[in-house]
Amino acid sequence: DTGVSQDPRHKITKRGQNVTFRCDPISEHNRLYWYRQTLGQGPEFLTYFQNEAQLEKSRLLSDRFSAERPKGSFSTLEIQRTEQGDSAMYLCASRAANTEAFFGQGTRLTVV
Amino acid sequence: EDQVTQSPEALRLQEGESSSLNCSYTVSGLRGLFWYRQDPGKGPEFLFTLYSAGEEKEKERLKATLTKKESFLHITAPKPEDSATYLCAVWDSSGSARQLTFGSGTQLTVLP
Repeated sequence: DTGVSQDPRHKITKRGQNVTFRCDPISEHNRLYWYRQTLGQGPEFLTYFQNEAQLEKSRLLSDRFSAERPKGSFSTLEIQRTEQGDSAMYLCASRAANTEAFFGQGTRLTVV
Repeated sequence: EDQVTQSPEALRLQEGESSSLNCSYTVSGLRGLFWYRQDPGKGPEFLFTLYSAGEEKEKERLKATLTKKESFLHITAPKPEDSATYLCAVWDSSGSARQLTFGSGTQLTVLP
């Protein structure tokens, strides 16, 4: 499968715990995005990488959220001290220059 | 700030009953308009990219069109397997904006 891969698919965590999600983009894509989606809403932009550089972050991204893409390939999104409001689907997408973005299947986070 | 509004929020059709979904947008400079299909619990699946007013794209029973203010996704003789949420997104060329801005989607149900 050469699509965007996300792991895990589902995560249940207790409030206050830290969680980390991984995204493996399509191999030739140098641009990578993280989005968050809640029920009944469209995906909401969180952050953007071009190669290993994090070039854009949403104002909505609190300091509990951090993302990395250390070698310009896979990326991780960490949420520290999770809150119930963090429960959502976290989507990763990748694209090459001037092409459409392709999404992974997402990680469903439930904070209890 | 970019705005994308989709209507209706939900649409129920009988199998074979053609209809259209609307996506209206406000951007400083449209670089691309994208349609995605999303099934429950899955990531968005790319359908079409439209770049300029007057452009049209077709795929099976779906046809996307674009004007300077809105895009339509026409569904001809839909089948139950076309049931999904259809998302519209825009890519703005102004400033440093690099992310796709999504609408909230239209949830389509096609009844047999």
